[in-house]
Amino acid sequence: DAGVIQSPRHEVTEMGQEVTLRCKPISGHDYLFWYRQTMMRGLELLIYFNNNVPIDDSGMPEDRFSAKMPNASFSTLKIQPSEPRDSAVYFCASSNQNLGYTFGSGTRLTVV
Amino acid sequence: GESVGLHLPTLSVQEGDNSIINCAYSNSASDYFIWYKQESGKGPQFIIDIRSNMDKRQGQRVTVLLNKTVKHLSLQIAATQPGDSAVYFCAENIYNQGGKLIFGQGTELSVKP
Repeated sequence: DAGVIQSPRHEVTEMGQEVTLRCKPISGHDYLFWYRQTMMRGLELLIYFNNNVPIDDSGMPEDRFSAKMPNASFSTLKIQPSEPRDSAVYFCASSNQNLGYTFGSGTRLTVV
Repeated sequence: GESVGLHLPTLSVQEGDNSIINCAYSNSASDYFIWYKQESGKGPQFIIDIRSNMDKRQGQRVTVLLNKTVKHLSLQIAATQPGDSAVYFCAENIYNQGGKLIFGQGTELSVKP
């Protein structure tokens, strides 16, 4: 298995632009998580899905952030409009029945 | 409330020595704990896990100890190597909340050759 695949690896965008981050979980995993990592706040859970259904989005910072999981093999995290304070590394992780959490390599987002 | 914290933000050890990284958690309902290693520019990598019905689990060169009485767990790395240099996170799984992981702040381990 190729593991959790995220794209792009790096994204630089101007303030106000829309940003879309993508994730392909491990086949057969029924949970998908989006995390954000910064020096100040560490690893924060933004949202997670179970069987493609959003379960807890309490970590999503504000309405500018949205996430979808249209099928078991794909998820997106969208920021619109982006702001400099959104600069961080965004990780996607997947797991099977609450165990075996595997992280992707992350997307480093820089908003200028 | 829920919180997972680490006692030491940085740890420096000599190559070949044993390393011990500590973690405290506050939610007695947690039943699953994971240690992750994160190298620069990479995502967290699973090291070892432990369920709350155990107090010790061993892997290759690593041992995790869980003390539920004081809500403490530790990661022991035997014969630390330069390749072990990374940030180590403990994570807490609150099963009745659907399996989301809550991460501690991380400890940076530096191994001197």
